[in-house]
Amino acid sequence: GDQVEQSPSALSLHEGTGSALRCNFTTTMRAVQWFRKNSRGSLINLFYLASGTKENGRLKSAFDSKERYSTLHIRDAQLEDSGTYFCAAGGTNAYKVIFGKGTHLHVLP
Amino acid sequence: DPKIIQKPKYLVAVTGSEKILICEQYLGHNAMYWYRQSAKKPLEFMFSYSYQKLMDNQTASSRFQPQSSKKNHLDLQITALKPDDSATYFCASSQTGGAGAEQFFGPGTRLTVL
Repeated sequence: GDQVEQSPSALSLHEGTGSALRCNFTTTMRAVQWFRKNSRGSLINLFYLASGTKENGRLKSAFDSKERYSTLHIRDAQLEDSGTYFCAAGGTNAYKVIFGKGTHLHVLP
Repeated sequence: DPKIIQKPKYLVAVTGSEKILICEQYLGHNAMYWYRQSAKKPLEFMFSYSYQKLMDNQTASSRFQPQSSKKNHLDLQITALKPDDSATYFCASSQTGGAGAEQFFGPGTRLTVL
């Protein structure tokens, strides 16, 4: 079945630095979403992409359906960016999205 | 104001009992979903509804029954509860059920079965 492989599973960054999270897909996906789980456990929508790139503040995401991957770039990381980030992609079944296992981001002072 | 309401936030049940998880969305969306996240596992799709009709069911057990009394409601009835049912259950919605539609998630109901 359709699979979403998210990496890394955990990431530590110092304040002010940046890095990228990645999701690889085993099949062609129609769209990707990126979420952050907040301290209350709620999923906050960060990005929705059917193609190309989007940027919002210090976050930037890209999605390449042909190459079967998506990335989430974080720059100038802040302490409040700490949390768990998930990608989720919609594939052959239009009525569900498949989630990655998440990346636990820890921003260090 | 929260746009997707899930009630209750926390729920403790005994093995063998029955519970209903409530979900209401005020986004004007036509499709609704249930997902489950068990400990140390990714969110797993359970059901999808579009215009109050079941579109997909990935849950093997008939103990899980969605109920849609209104277009903006999709409750989840769970019967004969087992400890393995302990998880956080997330409701979601999207404008349409079309290919890769953007989904928005409720805050979840954390169910513990003793």
